[in-house]
Amino acid sequence: AQKVTQAQTEISVVEKEDVTLDCVYETRDTTYYLFWYKQPPSGELVFLIRRNSFDEQNEISGRYSWNFQKSTSSFNFTITASQVVDSAVYFCALSEDLTGNQFYFGTGTSLTVIP
Amino acid sequence: DSGVTQTPKHLITATGQRVTLRCSPRSGDLSVYWYQQSLDQGLQFLIQYYNGEERAKGNILERFSAQQFPDLHSELNLSSLELGDSALYFCASSIRGQVFNEQYFGPGTRLTVT
Repeated sequence: AQKVTQAQTEISVVEKEDVTLDCVYETRDTTYYLFWYKQPPSGELVFLIRRNSFDEQNEISGRYSWNFQKSTSSFNFTITASQVVDSAVYFCALSEDLTGNQFYFGTGTSLTVIP
Repeated sequence: DSGVTQTPKHLITATGQRVTLRCSPRSGDLSVYWYQQSLDQGLQFLIQYYNGEERAKGNILERFSAQQFPDLHSELNLSSLELGDSALYFCASSIRGQVFNEQYFGPGTRLTVT
């Protein structure tokens, strides 16, 4: 079974629309960490957020927001008023500990923002 | 520009060979991470070093090894290369040793094994 599922392979939105990227994870641990990364067309990775399992507060950073819901094992990412520069592949990831050997990436969601 | 540099940018080599990828972290950063991105395996975390010591270890093959030097640059050595090792190898750095905290990524080294 996939530890991290990003069911949306590709999404297209028109500029200024809001878009939510879904991430569902699977773990039996009570302590774990969740992440989002962005990979724009240039290819570089950009770290967006790290959240630990004890902190269920939603986070907002500018046009970006993250909704962590333990009850549904989801860590969804919303971009408000999308812009062309948001076009990228977005990866969700889970780490079940901090040793590194239980670190799992999702397969990514490719977001295209159409001007 | 993240401030993390990786050399070389591209590398083409043959199966069975050995290569070394180099990473220089941002000024002041003590941690270096290595990741692999391939078509078959997707993104994978390989290993993290903090101030010269291994801090976290992921899906790094035994044929691969890494180290971090006193000047904090890091090298990833890949030996007995196979076709499946063809991938983009990213290095990232962060200021602290806390595993997987905010990281800054380099542009990557694209390795092609023929």
